[in-house]
Amino acid sequence: AQKVTQAQTEISVVEKEDVTLDCVYETRDTTYYLFWYKQPPSGELVFLIRRNSFDEQNEISGRYSWNFQKSTSSFNFTITASQVVDSAVYFCALLHPNAGNMLTFGGGTRLMVKP
Amino acid sequence: KAGVTQTPRYLIKTRGQQVTLSCSPISGHRSVSWYQQTPGQGLQFLFEYFSETQRNKGNFPGRFSGRQFSNSRSEMNVSTLELGDSALYLCASSLSGGNNEQFFGPGTRLTVL
Repeated sequence: AQKVTQAQTEISVVEKEDVTLDCVYETRDTTYYLFWYKQPPSGELVFLIRRNSFDEQNEISGRYSWNFQKSTSSFNFTITASQVVDSAVYFCALLHPNAGNMLTFGGGTRLMVKP
Repeated sequence: KAGVTQTPRYLIKTRGQQVTLSCSPISGHRSVSWYQQTPGQGLQFLFEYFSETQRNKGNFPGRFSGRQFSNSRSEMNVSTLELGDSALYLCASSLSGGNNEQFFGPGTRLTVL
């Protein structure tokens, strides 16, 4: 069975602070994909990143960075110099290729960035 | 390129009624997946359609069904609505399957009274 845990249900920071959102996953498969999505108040899920299980390189995209560690089954997401527009709910998700496009989502982390 | 569209955006129904939600994927995308989002259960996979065939199904009762048309547009139907069916229903489209990014629509918020 696959499972994704986002232990932080809510995080509040002040603008310009760095913040890390944790994601821990469980799977017996050796081939899988990990995703992060952002859900602003409008409700639409916005794709942020996809990472396959064979690529453990960290990735940076502007103020966003991701740390993938298979040894600890974690795929953490860091926002550097947070901004008010980063306020949203962030979801980590797991996909096994043999399951078509079925994403298993974590419970989400609500990030509030205060001015 | 137009994104994923879902209609209607908001819907109010009463218990026992049935409802049909529609999703138009991004042009060229052949896979459409449906998810239910509730405060209590979070985001849960309902089913996926690919080339008009249901490819995968989540753990939901038979009251939840769907279909996909030849133009890849998809509908999901919920019969005999229950209060617990109140949720945001999200549709996602993808080129094919397995490892492609899924692009989500804005969702349909269903309220069951």
